[in-house]
Amino acid sequence: KAGVTQTPRYLIKTRGQQVTLSCSPISGHRSVSWYQQTPGQGLQFLFEYFSETQRNKGNFPGRFSGRQFSNSRSEMNVSTLELGDSALYLCASSLQGGYGYTFGSGTRLTVV
Amino acid sequence: DQQVKQNSPSLSVQEGRISILNCDYTNSMFDYFLWYKKYPAEGPTFLISISSIKDKNEDGRFTVFLNKSAKHLSLHIVPSQPGDSAVYFCAAKDSNYQLIWGAGTKLIIKP
Repeated sequence: KAGVTQTPRYLIKTRGQQVTLSCSPISGHRSVSWYQQTPGQGLQFLFEYFSETQRNKGNFPGRFSGRQFSNSRSEMNVSTLELGDSALYLCASSLQGGYGYTFGSGTRLTVV
Repeated sequence: DQQVKQNSPSLSVQEGRISILNCDYTNSMFDYFLWYKKYPAEGPTFLISISSIKDKNEDGRFTVFLNKSAKHLSLHIVPSQPGDSAVYFCAAKDSNYQLIWGAGTKLIIKP
């Protein structure tokens, strides 16, 4: 079966711009979580969506937002980009969350 | 407040020997623990897990031990192979189905 697909793989944006990242989960998976990974910081949880509803949220500013569509595909948006937003953004899907997560390969965002 | 801690940022082990990666947690309500492995520029991949009702789970070269009284779990890799060089993340599931992650330990297997 197809894995978790994240697009685009790489992105370069200018400070102040906004960006939208996309995640297509494994077919049948209803939970999609987003993470930010920066060097030495591990995986920082952004938010989780389950059946189109945000179920959990991490400690990120309101510039970070997301949504999930009826087909479970999810998008993450970052507005007013800052240099510190440069990171690898990972999406993970699972049937119902909590375990059985499968990760995508991530989107590498560079803010210049 | 870090609920899941991996206190060793890196670990270097000789090929063929045992690698032991440690993870401590503070929340006694966690009911499921997982280990993921991550190569550079890739997403983490699931390695092994353990329910809080067990104290050991084994899968091939990988064994996870859970000590609930000490709120400690460890991942043993025997024997260690060069392909095991990666960053290993420990994660714990809470009652809201959220995974709480450690900061990761970089394992380096020396030939």
